[in-house]
Amino acid sequence: LAKTTQPISMDSYEGQEVNITCSHNNIATNDYITWYQQFPSQGPRFIIQGYKTKVTNEVASLFIPADRKSSTLSLPRVSLSDTAVYYCLGGRGRDDKIIFGKGTRLHILP
Amino acid sequence: EPEVTQTPSHQVTQMGQEVILRCVPISNHLYFYWYRQILGQKVEFLVSFYNNEISEKSEIFDDQFSVERPDGSNFTLKIRSTKLEDSAMYFCASRDLSTLYGYTFGSGTRLTVV
Repeated sequence: LAKTTQPISMDSYEGQEVNITCSHNNIATNDYITWYQQFPSQGPRFIIQGYKTKVTNEVASLFIPADRKSSTLSLPRVSLSDTAVYYCLGGRGRDDKIIFGKGTRLHILP
Repeated sequence: EPEVTQTPSHQVTQMGQEVILRCVPISNHLYFYWYRQILGQKVEFLVSFYNNEISEKSEIFDDQFSVERPDGSNFTLKIRSTKLEDSAMYFCASRDLSTLYGYTFGSGTRLTVV
């Protein structure tokens, strides 16, 4: 499983674009990068997954450079309800179990 | 959108008592998991379950813990003799053969041991 490093916390304002970068220097060739979101007292929720270049869905975009040693989760025009912890995960461990780190606590201000 | 359902949402139990936490995974999913999150800490892996048996478990998942899929739909976590430090949110998760769409987690059961 790839070891990931991401900021412990970030603040932003409503309407702004938020970019959260994650480092995964030892990511393996067949590893995917996956991001989850967790609201207080709720289970984590899958946001987006990618292997390389750019992936976009209705929630976010994920940018992965050619070397795949990092990735950036981009949340367009955030609102107060985007306040949550965001987890960057890399790997395809045995049975693909997820190992969560501490994540990035994103706080959106009015 | 399909959901993973967990019951109860909150359980209070006395130390030393047995508890069973219940989960109904998404019907066509094949892999099942339990995680826990102690207040203010990170989400920790407990156990994975596939083909009616445990495929992997963490150090946390000691002899006090067991899992079962008794009837093909429910997936349960039993703690035989609860301790104060078992107080946490317990999350069930499931996924299908492909991991392209990640895991689906339930809303959790808050277990409080007094």
